[in-house]
Amino acid sequence: EAGVAQSPRYKIIEKRQSVAFWCNPISGHATLYWYQQILGQGPKLLIQFQNNGVVDDSQLPKDRFSAERLKGVDSTLKIQPAKLEDSAVYLCASSLDLGQTYGYTFGSGTRLTVV
Amino acid sequence: DAKTTQPTSMDCAEGRAANLPCNHSTISGNEYVYWYRQIHSQGPQYIIHGLKNNETNEMASLIITEDRKSSTLILPHATLRDTAVYYCIVAHTGANSKLTFGKGITLSVRP
Repeated sequence: EAGVAQSPRYKIIEKRQSVAFWCNPISGHATLYWYQQILGQGPKLLIQFQNNGVVDDSQLPKDRFSAERLKGVDSTLKIQPAKLEDSAVYLCASSLDLGQTYGYTFGSGTRLTVV
Repeated sequence: DAKTTQPTSMDCAEGRAANLPCNHSTISGNEYVYWYRQIHSQGPQYIIHGLKNNETNEMASLIITEDRKSSTLILPHATLRDTAVYYCIVAHTGANSKLTFGKGITLSVRP
């Protein structure tokens, strides 16, 4: 089966600019996750969707980050305005349903550099 | 979810078994032990999980102590492609469960 697709692969922006990342999960996967991975650390969950509804966004910095999954398939994560500390890899993952913690499939991520 | 403790790094020789330890002394009865790994420039990849019995699949074996306070991931014949960061995660499987990653252990397989 096709994996989780993410684009772009790399992005360099200046601070205070905006940026958007796109994720296409595995077909049929109801649950979608966005993680942020700062260099040298493990991935940190930002937001979790079940179909087109948000399950958990407690770790999402809502003053600058937003995410949507309008039709319950693709998702976009936006940062506006970006700060230097947002430099990280943004990983998207999907699973068949809630609670499938053994079944996460991750994309290769988008590496964001804010200068 | 219970926290886990892993060494920062370890290495092993190619072709030898790699034994990666993990402590999870506060694990609760309904929490599983999961292992994921992350090869450079890729997203994490599921390896194996278990509740209390030892588990084996085509990638690895998972040995969980009887008191469930620690576990060991075993890669029986490590190859250079097994060089990666390995994450030990404890989580339940309820509807609000999610994977919470620590820093993991960096395994370096040397020729």
